[in-house]
Amino acid sequence: KNQVEQSPQSLIILEGKNCTLQCNYTVSPFSNLRWYKQDTGRGPVSLTIMTFSENTKSNGRYTATLDADTKQSSLHITASQLSDSASYICVVSGGYSTLTFGKGTMLLVSP
Amino acid sequence: AAGVIQSPRHLIKEKRETATLKCYPIPRHDTVYWYQQGPGQDPQFLISFYEKMQSDKGSIPDRFSAQQFSDYHSELNMSSLELGDSALYFCASSLAFQSYEQYFGPGTRLTVT
Repeated sequence: KNQVEQSPQSLIILEGKNCTLQCNYTVSPFSNLRWYKQDTGRGPVSLTIMTFSENTKSNGRYTATLDADTKQSSLHITASQLSDSASYICVVSGGYSTLTFGKGTMLLVSP
Repeated sequence: AAGVIQSPRHLIKEKRETATLKCYPIPRHDTVYWYQQGPGQDPQFLISFYEKMQSDKGSIPDRFSAQQFSDYHSELNMSSLELGDSALYFCASSLAFQSYEQYFGPGTRLTVT
């Protein structure tokens, strides 16, 4: 069964600090992995997308890494801001129309 | 840039009523996907359409139906609503050959009382 596990479930950090979110997956076949940011009650917004051959990809203060051998990904947020408070969802695509969603990490950035 | 449009954004219905959610994909996108996200849950894939034909089916209840029209917009019809149908319903769109590149709409929050 395809699964995406994210950790931690929730995280509180001080504004300006860095943090790293983890994603482990057992999706086969593997097509790509995306990190989404979802504000409460809003649609997910894509942060990064990585295919099998990509190890790292950055989008501003967000840097995602992918280890396709160990089936692990991480999302590193640098110099956090209050607006970073959201749920961060790891989504793995295994083929046509098949997206497996993680349950997300709820990040709270406090002043 | 144009994004996926969903309407209405909020909807309140009573049990056993019907509801229709609409989704307008990004221009030139020919594939539409519907997801249901319950409170504190990850989105669950319901159904997708390509060129007005159902292309994939997920955990969509028999009480729900959907279709895609010639202008590529899609409607999700929900009948005999139950309290458990209260959720955020997302629509996403993509080009058929880029199904991994799905762009999500803002969602419709359905509350069944």
